[in-house]
Amino acid sequence: GNSVTQMEGPVTLSEEAFLTINCTYTATGYPSLFWYVQYPGEGLQLLLKATKADDKGSNKGFEATYRKETTSFHLEKGSVQVSDSAVYFCALTQGGSQGNLIFGKGTKLSVKP
Amino acid sequence: DTAVSQTPKYLVTQMGNDKSIKCEQNLGHDTMYWYKQDSKKFLKIMFSYNNKELIINETVPNRFSPKSPDKAHLNLHINSLELGDSAVYFCASSPNPGGAYEQFFGPGTRLTVL
Repeated sequence: GNSVTQMEGPVTLSEEAFLTINCTYTATGYPSLFWYVQYPGEGLQLLLKATKADDKGSNKGFEATYRKETTSFHLEKGSVQVSDSAVYFCALTQGGSQGNLIFGKGTKLSVKP
Repeated sequence: DTAVSQTPKYLVTQMGNDKSIKCEQNLGHDTMYWYKQDSKKFLKIMFSYNNKELIINETVPNRFSPKSPDKAHLNLHINSLELGDSAVYFCASSPNPGGAYEQFFGPGTRLTVL
């Protein structure tokens, strides 16, 4: 079945450090790929998405590129801020009418001043 | 104006009780979902409704019963609560079940079963 594997945290960085959170997927067909973020005590928010191979999603300085050849969707940010501290989830949706998200296990990021 | 709201935010109850969680969205979306987040933050789909019809029913105990009185509401009723039901339950909605659409999540309901 479809699945998502992402690097497990926690990840602790200093402010202005470079961030990479690895995400790979297994899927039949052509899934859409997402990164969601969960700030402490809140629900999930979409951070970025890509719906076809070679698409790059970007938002708030974060980027991820849909790589079909490596089945990957790694999240990157050039310079993290304390306010980026949160749990980050990589996810995919299956094609057709099964639009539910299949999530990775989440990566907790802590950014220290 | 809250897009997806859930009530209650916290729910503490005894084993064996029956409880309900309510969800409402004001986005005009056709599709709504229930997800469960366990203590390790892992999220998994439970149910999905499209236009008030059940389209996803994952392997969950039949003590869990969703109900969608209209497109804007999806409630979750849980009978005979067990310790293992303790989790955070998230409601979400999207314009339709197609996979490319963003899902909008509610703030979650933290259920604690004692």
